Amino acid sequence: DTGVSQDPRHKITKRGQNVTFRCDPISEHNRLYWYRQTLGQGPEFLTYFQNEAQLEKSRLLSDRFSAERPKGSFSTLEIQRTEQGDSAMYLCASSPPDSYEQYFGPGTRLTVT
Amino acid sequence: AQTVTQSQPEMSVQEAETVTLSCTYDTSESNYYLFWYKQPPSRQMILVIRQEAYKQQNATENRFSVNFQKAAKSFSLKISDSQLGDTAMYFCAFMIGQGGSEKLVFGKGTKLTVNP
Repeated sequence: DTGVSQDPRHKITKRGQNVTFRCDPISEHNRLYWYRQTLGQGPEFLTYFQNEAQLEKSRLLSDRFSAERPKGSFSTLEIQRTEQGDSAMYLCASSPPDSYEQYFGPGTRLTVT
Repeated sequence: AQTVTQSQPEMSVQEAETVTLSCTYDTSESNYYLFWYKQPPSRQMILVIRQEAYKQQNATENRFSVNFQKAAKSFSLKISDSQLGDTAMYFCAFMIGQGGSEKLVFGKGTKLTVNP
């Protein structure tokens, strides 16, 4: 049984560029979450999906951020016109039906130069 | 809004000894869940232990146990017989129960170092 996977693991980009991250949840997990973690802080919630429906978005998710889960399986998180303040670890987690436990992936570390 | 406070930014313990990490939270909800997650250096977040608020009995997972004081809104983690592999950031987290938001609210973490 494979865990949550995220791609890429590291991304360095120049300010103003667009980036896209991918998350593959554990098989059969119907819920998927995105969090952002900056240095020295705990993760902060960004958004969550149940199947393909995006059910909640944080105020942290500005209009430059968009997330999708088109077929209820993998999800993508896109950041447009990146800013230096977007530099962080982006974590994905998934949860099976009828469970409140979230299982985290290894994260994508974004550095905006 | 729910908040989680971890008042110990860093702690250290000698191998084989016991250490307790503190966590307090603030909520007006009655149905919720509490978690401790471990994040080893450069590795992914791992669920250590969980506690349902409606359960009075404190959760235990091998060397890890919690002291859940609902009235005081306190949820501390005790690690017994500490091992070098326990060195990590430890995050306390809160989630509203069924029918509420699915998101985890995390504290800022406690960096635990186990010394040989």
